[in-house]
Amino acid sequence: NAGVTQTPKFQVLKTGQSMTLQCAQDMNHEYMSWYRQDPGMGLRLIHYSVGAGITDQGEVPNGYNVSRSTTEDFPLRLLSAAPSQTSVYFCASSYSGVLRSGELFFGEGSRLTVL
Amino acid sequence: QQQVKQSPQSLIVQKGGISIINCAYENTAFDYFPWYQQFPGKGPALLIAIRPDVSEKKEGRFTISFNKSAKQFSLHIMDSQPGDSATYFCAPSNAGKSTFGDGTTLTVKP
Repeated sequence: NAGVTQTPKFQVLKTGQSMTLQCAQDMNHEYMSWYRQDPGMGLRLIHYSVGAGITDQGEVPNGYNVSRSTTEDFPLRLLSAAPSQTSVYFCASSYSGVLRSGELFFGEGSRLTVL
Repeated sequence: QQQVKQSPQSLIVQKGGISIINCAYENTAFDYFPWYQQFPGKGPALLIAIRPDVSEKKEGRFTISFNKSAKQFSLHIMDSQPGDSATYFCAPSNAGKSTFGDGTTLTVKP
């Protein structure tokens, strides 16, 4: 049972480049989300999805796009990277959703540096 | 507006001591009150959680206390061990969306 898998683990980009952070879970969770973690600021919600075909914005969505075509996958796209997007990104999934909150299962993180 | 305030920012305790971390929130719609533990280079992992219909939950050395009227909940770690050294986050949630505190870095000295 792999849980939540994120790729890549490390990435360096130049300003203006685009890239996609991949996230896959094998627990059949309906709820998936992306967070960014910056020093001293905890984790902030970027985007989330309550099921295939449904996505919504979190606290800090600007500069990021998401889609959810399958239950398993929830990629995060940076269309034009900026230095302010240098951070550690975590994907998380949960068996619960809008009706009842529950435990979040996190991936190992993707460390992104934008030069 | 900061919805979740966690304190202290850092904590140093001796081995065998008690560690206490507090979390204050504003959103009365939160329906799940967890504490996550994070080690360097890893993602957070659930340590213990409580629902609002219960005032206290204990799992081994870890206890979570919940005060609905004060809109606060806390994590108590009894007999703290060096292996407990990590960053702890409270992350109350509503409709599946979690709001994380800024974290508490706990160091347990041997």
